[in-house]
Amino acid sequence: EAGVTQFPSHSVIEKGQTVTLRCDPISGHDNLYWYRRVMGKEIKFLLHFVKESKQDESGMPNNRFLAERTGGTYSTLKVQPAELEDSGVYFCASRPRITGELFFGEGSRLTVL
Amino acid sequence: DQQVKQNSPSLSVQEGRISILNCDYTNSMFDYFLWYKKYPAEGPTFLISISSIKDKNEDGRFTVFLNKSAKHLSLHIVPSQPGDSAVYFCAASTGSNYKLTFGKGTLLTVNP
Repeated sequence: EAGVTQFPSHSVIEKGQTVTLRCDPISGHDNLYWYRRVMGKEIKFLLHFVKESKQDESGMPNNRFLAERTGGTYSTLKVQPAELEDSGVYFCASRPRITGELFFGEGSRLTVL
Repeated sequence: DQQVKQNSPSLSVQEGRISILNCDYTNSMFDYFLWYKKYPAEGPTFLISISSIKDKNEDGRFTVFLNKSAKHLSLHIVPSQPGDSAVYFCAASTGSNYKLTFGKGTLLTVNP
């Protein structure tokens, strides 16, 4: 069974540009989460989808971040325009509907210059 | 305001000995606690969890202890193996909604 896959693995962009990160959860997992780890800090919750609906987006830093989950399958996280402080590793995770532990992807490293 | 704290950035132990990783939390609403293990360039991998109704949970070489009055939990690895060398994250949530609050992690090095 394929795990959680994230693309790209590393993105380097200039300040002010736009980047879109993609996450493909494990097939059949209704719950999808985005987390972020900024250098030297702890991993922080960004938001939680249940199928295509945003269950909780209280961790989104500001309105430069937009997350979508088309048809309840894959999800994208867009940063527009990117700022220096957005640099970090963005993790996607998924879990089954009722119970079960969180499975994380390998992360997408974002470097904003 | 860090609600989950791992005060030891690193820990080094000899193969075969016990590794003890510690975690403190401040939010009394947390009732579900987890440990994740992370290798470089990989995502965190679930290791073991414990609900606040218990004070101990064991899975093979891994045991998690929870002391609610002290708001403290610890992960014991016995015996430690070189393959256990990784960063260990403590995490907590209110209920099992997986809106996790993580600590900064402890780098465990197990020396052969």
